[in-house]
Amino acid sequence: NAGVTQTPKFQVLKTGQSMTLQCAQDMNHEYMSWYRQDPGMGLRLIHYSVGAGITDQGEVPNGYNVSRSTTEDFPLRLLSAAPSQTSVYFCASSYLRVFMNTEAFFGQGTRLTVV
Amino acid sequence: EDKVVQSPLSLVVHEGDTVTLNCSYEVTNFRSLLWYKQEKKAPTFLFMLTSSGIEKKSGRLSSILDKKELSSILNITATQTGDSAIYLCAFGGTGNQFYFGTGTSLTVIP
Repeated sequence: NAGVTQTPKFQVLKTGQSMTLQCAQDMNHEYMSWYRQDPGMGLRLIHYSVGAGITDQGEVPNGYNVSRSTTEDFPLRLLSAAPSQTSVYFCASSYLRVFMNTEAFFGQGTRLTVV
Repeated sequence: EDKVVQSPLSLVVHEGDTVTLNCSYEVTNFRSLLWYKQEKKAPTFLFMLTSSGIEKKSGRLSSILDKKELSSILNITATQTGDSAIYLCAFGGTGNQFYFGTGTSLTVIP
């Protein structure tokens, strides 16, 4: 059981380049999300999805796109990388229950540097 | 605006000490309060608290939620060097969205 798998682990981009961070989970979780973690800022929610075909914005969505074509995969796209997007990115997944929260499982993170 | 504040921001203790980490929140649709431990990579789940006054325990770690005071504490007794990490608290809103605090960095010195 792999859990949540993120690739790549490290990436350096030039300003203006685009790229996709991959996230896959094998726990049949309905809910998937992307966070970025910056020093002194904690984890901030970028986008999330409650199921295939359904996505929504979190706290800091600008400059990022997501899609959810399958239950397993939730890629994050940087459209035109900027130095402000230098951060550590985490993908997380969890079961979705209507009236309660459930534990989120995190991937190992992607350290992205934009120069 | 919903927010989560953790204190202290960082803490250095000696092995064997007991530490108390604090988390306070201001939220509009509170469902639960979660604690995570983050070592070098991914945060790992510790506790979820939904009811006030109920203590959750796992070995030397325990946590309690005070809904009246909108706060939670995480206690670690007899600290070990392996407890060195960033401890994150988060509140869960509707739809399983989680809002995280900035974390408390704990360093345990041998």
